Amino acid sequence: QLQLQESGPGLVKPSETLSLTCTVSGGSISSSSYYWGWIRQPPGKGLEWIGSIYYSGSTYYNSSLKSRVTISVDTSKNQFSLKLNSVTAADTAVYYCARRGYNYAGVVYYYYMDVWGKGTTVTVSS
Amino acid sequence: DIQMTQSPSSLSASVGDRVTITCRASQSISSYLNWYQQKPGKAPKFLIYAASSLQSGVPSRFSGSGSGTDFTLTISSLQPEDFATYYCQQSYSTLITFGQGTRLEIK
Repeated sequence: QLQLQESGPGLVKPSETLSLTCTVSGGSISSSSYYWGWIRQPPGKGLEWIGSIYYSGSTYYNSSLKSRVTISVDTSKNQFSLKLNSVTAADTAVYYCARRGYNYAGVVYYYYMDVWGKGTTVTVSS
Repeated sequence: DIQMTQSPSSLSASVGDRVTITCRASQSISSYLNWYQQKPGKAPKFLIYAASSLQSGVPSRFSGSGSGTDFTLTISSLQPEDFATYYCQQSYSTLITFGQGTRLEIK
């Protein structure tokens, strides 16, 4: 079955760039109709969507993070990646990657995050 | 961006109780509303889409309702494994937003 796995440094210094990769296995990242996304969760807090990408490279970003975020895709490696620059302690969080699945109800599409990675903890500290 | 507000923020209940969690959107989102369950240290689990459609494998004691701006998640008879945090999420906009979560605790 489809599995997602986050990887990357667990510790990033303030003002530097956080870089994470999500590796997709058990399916192709180039499957049509699926977007792939990043979501984060600061310690003890709720979920925050960061952004999503289609295999073609089309992206959507959270308005509050847009100036610092870049999400890219490498279809040859079946991976997509997150870069968040100028990080501060407020960016300390568990970072999840997830697939945006869908259900077509004959007239409309309903989208949801149906397959998640286990998450990776990133701490911003000097 | 569309703001999602859940209530209550936390809730204590007993096994066998019926519980309801509310989610309100800052504008109409039709039925583009999803629910997730998250247990400590785990990734969220997808439960319900289109406000009321259960994902495959989700127990029938879970149900969702609502449209427009007001939605509910109901668990008809709480089981020990249901104690977790629940999040709503709107998919009306490509800019996804989640509610702040409702923590369901054992009384």
